[in-house]
Amino acid sequence: DAKTTQPPSMDCAEGRAANLPCNHSTISGNEYVYWYRQIHSQGPQYIIHGLKNNETNEMASLIITEDRKSSTLILPHATLRDTAVYYCIVRVINNNDMRFGAGTRLTVKP
Amino acid sequence: DGGITQSPKYLFRKEGQNVTLSCEQNLNHDAMYWYRQDPGQGLRLIYYSQIVNDFQKGDIAEGYSVSREKKESFPLTVTSAQKNPTAFYLCASSIKGTDNQPQHFGDGTRLSIL
Repeated sequence: DAKTTQPPSMDCAEGRAANLPCNHSTISGNEYVYWYRQIHSQGPQYIIHGLKNNETNEMASLIITEDRKSSTLILPHATLRDTAVYYCIVRVINNNDMRFGAGTRLTVKP
Repeated sequence: DGGITQSPKYLFRKEGQNVTLSCEQNLNHDAMYWYRQDPGQGLRLIYYSQIVNDFQKGDIAEGYSVSREKKESFPLTVTSAQKNPTAFYLCASSIKGTDNQPQHFGDGTRLSIL
């Protein structure tokens, strides 16, 4: 599976959009991009995933660049409860292993 | 509500003792997984099962054992052979193990050695 690179930490003001970047420059054509978040002492929570088109659900939007080498997770109106570690994962279909790296620690501030 | 239930939330083990962590799901998912998370680290795959009565080793299976006798249940036993068992253990499930659908996680069991 392709390796991902994320900034270790980011801050965001409450009510503003949080834009979390992820680089996956070695991604191959059959690899999906997944985003999860983990609040301290809880299990990871699935947010969104996509292959090459932009995706949106009730939690967030996923923007994937045309060359698929990077993506951005957008939380449109961040709240204090969005403070968590956010993981970007690239996974081949049929691969059973979700390889979580260190992620980005997002802190939403009042 | 459908979901994944892990129990207990906290577990303490004495040296030389086997302990079993429970994982139950009512999502009707075929595939189930066990991961281990150490402080400040990502997740590492211990075992996974795509169907009942079948399971495969992940990256760090040594010192662990599993069974999958029912679709809803995938218990993990941490044996005395696991020399560094203190960690946060996470169970996950997915509709199938062979598609692009995401894995969904329980809230974990934190295991400590007395």
